Amino acid sequence: AQKITQTQPGMFVQEKEAVTLDCTYDTSDQSYGLFWYKQPSSGEMIFLIYQGSYDEQNATEGRYSLNFQKARKSANLVISASQLGDSAMYFCAMRESGGTSYDKVIFGPGTSLSVIP
Amino acid sequence: DAGVTQSPTHLIKTRGQQVTLRCSPKSGHDTVSWYQQALGQGPQFIFQYYEEEERQRGNFPDRFSGHQFPNYSSELNVNALLLGDSALYLCASSLGAGAFEAFFGQGTRLTVV
Repeated sequence: AQKITQTQPGMFVQEKEAVTLDCTYDTSDQSYGLFWYKQPSSGEMIFLIYQGSYDEQNATEGRYSLNFQKARKSANLVISASQLGDSAMYFCAMRESGGTSYDKVIFGPGTSLSVIP
Repeated sequence: DAGVTQSPTHLIKTRGQQVTLRCSPKSGHDTVSWYQQALGQGPQFIFQYYEEEERQRGNFPDRFSGHQFPNYSSELNVNALLLGDSALYLCASSLGAGAFEAFFGQGTRLTVV
């Protein structure tokens, strides 16, 4: 069963505007972590932001913020003041243990973001 | 400080052959995870190595195997290649169990013909 859902296969945003990329997840773990990664055309996955399931404050990293709504199992990424270099694939991911001592990270299908000048 | 390095960057193999991909983790990292990313999809977790042992495995057949060396570098081996194994293979390194930040390499693009 798919555990990470990203319902926006492609998004467009005007340069300097803000954009929200949606992510919903499903897990039975009480302790888990949520990530967002950026993948430019070069292929490298770039870590953007992390939110722990017990964190009460929404995570922020520069222009990136994570809108965490635990009851709705939602972890949307907000990018403020979009730049041309933000054009890339964006992946939502979740770290879960599944009851074991070790963690693994599972990824969503991704959202392609295009920033328009 | 070198990040995660993977080799080779690209390779082409024939169906039925075997392939070995290599990964050197970021300096100081002791855990290596491997992912398969088919075109247009998100990465799929293959397995994770820590202290030279496989400690987590995703839903991949036994044709996929790995190894971690004492210097924490890792290899991914795929036997009896299928056309469907064509993908970008990503290696990620992290420090310890449950590390929230993993650093990825640029990947190896494998094409099976």
